[in-house]
Amino acid sequence: QVTLRESGPALVKPTQTLTLTCTFSGFSLSTRGMSVNWIRQPPGKALEWLARIDWDDEKYYSTSLKTRLTISKDTSKNQVVLTMTNMDPVDTATYYCTRIRAREPAFDIWGQGTVVTVSS
Amino acid sequence: DIQMTQSPSTLSASVGDRVTIACRASQSISTWVAWFQQKPGKAPKLLIYKASNLEVGVPSRFSGSGSGTEFTLTISSLQPDDFATYYCQHYNTYSTFGQGTKVEIK
Repeated sequence: QVTLRESGPALVKPTQTLTLTCTFSGFSLSTRGMSVNWIRQPPGKALEWLARIDWDDEKYYSTSLKTRLTISKDTSKNQVVLTMTNMDPVDTATYYCTRIRAREPAFDIWGQGTVVTVSS
Repeated sequence: DIQMTQSPSTLSASVGDRVTIACRASQSISTWVAWFQQKPGKAPKLLIYKASNLEVGVPSRFSGSGSGTEFTLTISSLQPDDFATYYCQHYNTYSTFGQGTKVEIK
């Protein structure tokens, strides 16, 4: 069974750096074609794709946020970490991690999401 | 960046209705489109991938079509469990979501 779970602080202050961890099971990020993505959703708003890391360590970022984002993986721990610098109240959102499966690529399994509030 | 424009933003319908949601891409994206259903407080659920492929376990009343820049999600006979918000998504190397369509009870 494939699962993903997001973890990180529920509250961060403006200008701080957010670090989120996605811990997954049921698949390996060293499998060719596999990748993990981060997506966020502000309250009452649409989904926004943030970043992706592939099995071969290729990384891709949202054009509008790429100067603030870093994605990395620890294959041995089955974890993907996203950092976002210079947090602002507009970054308040539910943050999801999700995988792209290797065969018939699609964002098939999502974590439950973690709510991050940016406030002083 | 590729933009995905969904319409309508809200749709009022009754149980048993045929429902169609449209999504337009700002440039041709072949069939790299997925559709998701999201209920309040829950993560999105994959319904359709590669424009027209039904995800395993998703009821056959859901279907997707299109290629290039025009895509549609159709629910052939709306069921009570289908009242939710639906998102289209472009995905390939990068990804973009539409603004969402809320399907509400008429």
